[in-house]
Amino acid sequence: DQQVKQNSPSLSVQEGRISILNCDYTNSMFDYFLWYKKYPAEGPTFLISISSIKDKNEDGRFTVFLNKSAKHLSLHIVPSQPGDSAVYFCAASGAGNMLTFGGGTRLMVKP
Amino acid sequence: DAGITQSPRHKVTETGTPVTLRCHQTENHRYMYWYRQDPGHGLRLIHYSYGVKDTDKGEVSDGYSVSRSKTEDFLLTLESATSSQTSVYFCAIREENYNEQFFGPGTRLTVL
Repeated sequence: DQQVKQNSPSLSVQEGRISILNCDYTNSMFDYFLWYKKYPAEGPTFLISISSIKDKNEDGRFTVFLNKSAKHLSLHIVPSQPGDSAVYFCAASGAGNMLTFGGGTRLMVKP
Repeated sequence: DAGITQSPRHKVTETGTPVTLRCHQTENHRYMYWYRQDPGHGLRLIHYSYGVKDTDKGEVSDGYSVSRSKTEDFLLTLESATSSQTSVYFCAIREENYNEQFFGPGTRLTVL
């Protein structure tokens, strides 16, 4: 039973447009959420995070939105660039700072 | 970049053989983790450590054991490798009082 789900396995976006990656969770005890980016043959790299006491966190082109009532978070990338093409994982943290990961979404940004 | 290395980076082995993967950090972080990544499953936690000689099981620990005799090294052992353990293995570290984990480059293991 997956507690963190990324329902879109892939997403294709035109360069310069907005990319929106979605993530849903079921465990209401999760209180911290993270996004990781992964290129082929490399380890995941931390991108951005948000605490459950906030509903938005922004870092340059990347913004994460959290809707606690819907148990949903999203990552917005504006504007999208070809170098953003990667697999994106959302992760949720609860007791003991353990991370539970979603299955990932492959983003392809077309020039 | 966090100072995490994994060795070997690639390994091909046969069913039934023992395999040990090594994770080495230079950050002196207390917490270390082993994950496996499989298509459609994201990253799943195998084992983790919260200090020297302190380890615990994760979500998919069957068939794996770990050891941590020094702060900087965390070893993952497959006592008798099976084809279902073909995967990419990632090590991660975390600083105390922070949620973010930082990952190594991974080890691709193929069990024939």
